[in-house]
Amino acid sequence: DQQVKQNSPSLSVQEGRISILNCDYTNSMFDYFLWYKKYPAEGPTFLISISSIKDKNEDGRFTVFLNKSAKHLSLHIVPSQPGDSAVYFCAATPYGGSQGNLIFGKGTKLSVKP
Amino acid sequence: NAGVTQTPKFRVLKTGQSMTLLCAQDMNHEYMYWYRQDPGMGLRLIHYSVGEGTTAKGEVPDGYNVSRLKKQNFLLGLESAAPSQTSVYFCASSYSKASGGATDTQYFGPGTRLTVL
Repeated sequence: DQQVKQNSPSLSVQEGRISILNCDYTNSMFDYFLWYKKYPAEGPTFLISISSIKDKNEDGRFTVFLNKSAKHLSLHIVPSQPGDSAVYFCAATPYGGSQGNLIFGKGTKLSVKP
Repeated sequence: NAGVTQTPKFRVLKTGQSMTLLCAQDMNHEYMYWYRQDPGMGLRLIHYSVGEGTTAKGEVPDGYNVSRLKKQNFLLGLESAAPSQTSVYFCASSYSKASGGATDTQYFGPGTRLTVL
């Protein structure tokens, strides 16, 4: 049973518009959430994270929103750029960061068109 | 500062052969991890280590063994490769809370693409 779900395998957005990537989770013990970005033939790179004590975290063009009651988080990219085209993985940790084990979603492939 | 490196980048094995994947990190991280990524799947944790000399099983440990003899290295072994182990393998590392770092931010290597025929 998937604990972290990214229900959209792909998303296509026009350059300059907003990209919204969604993630749902089922385990109420998750208390720290991360987004990773992955280009082809490279390892994932950390993008942004959020603790369960917050509902929003912003870093430049990237903002993550957390809705604990709905067990839902989303990543907003504004404005989207062609270089943002990549696979985005949502991840969560169930142990309060004590071991760092992450549970990953299957990923959403974002394509930003010029 | 090379970060996390993995050796080799590509490998083709025949069923039943053995091999070892090497992961090295130069960030003095306590924690290290091995994941596999299959098409249409997220990353699944195989084994991890919370310090030199320690290892633990992750979500999909069967058919793999690991060793962490040195803090900077984490080895993943396949004793008798099977076609089901065809995958891309990623190593990652992270700080520990004891060192005051952000435990949960993992830094990944570039991956090893393994094909088992």
